[in-house]
Amino acid sequence: GENVEQHPSTLSVQEGDSAVIKCTYSDSASNYFPWYKQELGKRPQLIIDIRSNVGEKKDQRIAVTLNKTAKHFSLHITETQPEDSAVYFCAPNTGTASKLTFGTGTRLQVTL
Amino acid sequence: DTAVSQTPKYLVTQMGNDKSIKCEQNLGHDTMYWYKQDSKKFLKIMFSYNNKELIINETVPNRFSPKSPDKAHLNLHINSLELGDSAVYFCASSQDRAGATETQYFGPGTRLLVL
Repeated sequence: GENVEQHPSTLSVQEGDSAVIKCTYSDSASNYFPWYKQELGKRPQLIIDIRSNVGEKKDQRIAVTLNKTAKHFSLHITETQPEDSAVYFCAPNTGTASKLTFGTGTRLQVTL
Repeated sequence: DTAVSQTPKYLVTQMGNDKSIKCEQNLGHDTMYWYKQDSKKFLKIMFSYNNKELIINETVPNRFSPKSPDKAHLNLHINSLELGDSAVYFCASSQDRAGATETQYFGPGTRLLVL
């Protein structure tokens, strides 16, 4: 199956707080787990990705953790800033890893 | 020096018309994609081409026909446009040669409105 779900669908945090978005998937063959950020009216852009042989990856204020057994991975943003406000999509590869299946999206709003 | 470009940026047309969207990438990638993003922001893959060969064709009406004249270009032709075709269409490319395990670079999108 190719079900990909994200939670929460919307998230509002105060500037400086942390935000966590969780992605669950059903395809046991998935081996690549990226997160894309889409600002209003813009194109989706990769912000971080992880492969199945790694449990965690960090890049400055963002990190991704993977639990392959439980089939979920999460995006962590620390010290949030207003420019982090956007829609975030997880997009694990599915269909015997032939394509990315985008999640339902999480709208993050960082308030001052 | 735009990596992935699409034309036109906006497209407003009447039901029943035929229209095309063009996409070009200068990244030297082998694989190109078309995605549809609806009003609820769901992003769904439509087609994928690897070195001019169709490798993914999702459940898309056959009114949609992709064409890849060379590996740097992937165009999308839509016949008999319907109201439900209104969406943002994104082209993307990646270095993938087998499977989806590399960064996908998206074009700016084409906003299609069918009246």
